[in-house]
Amino acid sequence: DTAVSQTPKYLVTQMGNDKSIKCEQNLGHDTMYWYKQDSKKFLKIMFSYNNKELIINETVPNRFSPKSPDKAHLNLHINSLELGDSAVYFCASSPMVSTDTQYFGPGTRLTVL
Amino acid sequence: DAKTTQPPSMDCAEGRAANLPCNHSTISGNEYVYWYRQIHSQGPQYIIHGLKNNETNEMASLIITEDRKSSTLILPHATLRDTAVYYCIVRVRDDKIIFGKGTRLHILP
Repeated sequence: DTAVSQTPKYLVTQMGNDKSIKCEQNLGHDTMYWYKQDSKKFLKIMFSYNNKELIINETVPNRFSPKSPDKAHLNLHINSLELGDSAVYFCASSPMVSTDTQYFGPGTRLTVL
Repeated sequence: DAKTTQPPSMDCAEGRAANLPCNHSTISGNEYVYWYRQIHSQGPQYIIHGLKNNETNEMASLIITEDRKSSTLILPHATLRDTAVYYCIVRVRDDKIIFGKGTRLHILP
């Protein structure tokens, strides 16, 4: 019974394509996040949603559009993919914004050719 | 930017205690110290957090100096599965997590 799941695990695509990564949590949490970990292993927050509302947007290019159909899901859609978008993307969730613990998914490795 | 300084790597013999230091000399009174770890190719995992007092849970102990300018994460009996990158993070409770470079801990058999 996976707590935070992401699909797909691996995604290889061409520059210019549009792709989506899905995230689901079955923990009943109100807050969900997207993080990007680049080739140098730096892990940076991109977005945070609380009860389907955007609360953090870390100046991510508007080619990235998160969508939260309900509080258990936070999907990441990326338009016009660029080489620099290659990274591992992690989804996470927490009971609420001010909580101490975030639970991370297994990651999606995106490779843009 | 991360507000912490950690050694880039450390080694520890299996079965011994692993002591991971962290400097956070500019920590504010309302900022907590958190530790996460990332085992290879997995998502980060929460370990422990504290404000002023020392804390212990089933995974680790956290020792915070009285002036709160540094702390130490202790894994009491390290196993090979504890090989990971360990991140020390300071944050106000409702603020975002900012990960630094962390310490790569190698557990040696």
